Amino acid sequence: DGGITQSPKYLFRKEGQNVTLSCEQNLNHDAMYWYRQDPGQGLRLIYYSQIVNDFQKGDIAEGYSVSREKKESFPLTVTSAQKNPTAFYLCASSGFPPETSTYGNTIYFGEGSWLTVV
Amino acid sequence: GENVEQHPSTLSVQEGDSAVIKCTYSDSASNYFPWYKQELGKRPQLIIDIRSNVGEKKDQRIAVTLNKTAKHFSLHITETQPEDSAVYFCAATLSQGTYKYIFGTGTRLKVLA
Repeated sequence: DGGITQSPKYLFRKEGQNVTLSCEQNLNHDAMYWYRQDPGQGLRLIYYSQIVNDFQKGDIAEGYSVSREKKESFPLTVTSAQKNPTAFYLCASSGFPPETSTYGNTIYFGEGSWLTVV
Repeated sequence: GENVEQHPSTLSVQEGDSAVIKCTYSDSASNYFPWYKQELGKRPQLIIDIRSNVGEKKDQRIAVTLNKTAKHFSLHITETQPEDSAVYFCAATLSQGTYKYIFGTGTRLKVLA
């Protein structure tokens, strides 16, 4: 768990502003993910990436963008097109094969970032 | 499409009693099923997992069972304690070749002292 670092922990966004959430991992994992969690709700997949320079949309990708220029990094930009971005954002990573917690390849989460619109 | 259903959404038990949370998955090729515990305001943490070639796995007071034929798996917590109170999520990986995980909707467990 300590191998995934998200920043900032708290972020405030003004109307019409883009903001970027950082996610870095040193677990040598191939895959990285971004999830959104609204209060009292489950985890909804925004984007995920299985290899560098490639990523796929999840269930709620509209209003978000990502990049995967390095294996260790998977930043998420919340654009002004996302009209209701207030939520808890979780970055995660996993190795190959994607199961096998014994070898550390299962999905692990960062500590999360709280985004609030002001 | 791919789906993981989780029940119940809330569960209250008396301290010392057992708690059972059930999940059903749709992709018959799913081969790995982790369970996560999330305390309020914190990240989900892996508590136990099971692979498709195993029917049951135990770790102290926690166990997971898998029925591949019925495509469901369950989390069992025995001798519950107040610190077990949290939201629990099940998950399933899709068929080989993808890293995608499908999460259940979560179960809020309350252990009453």
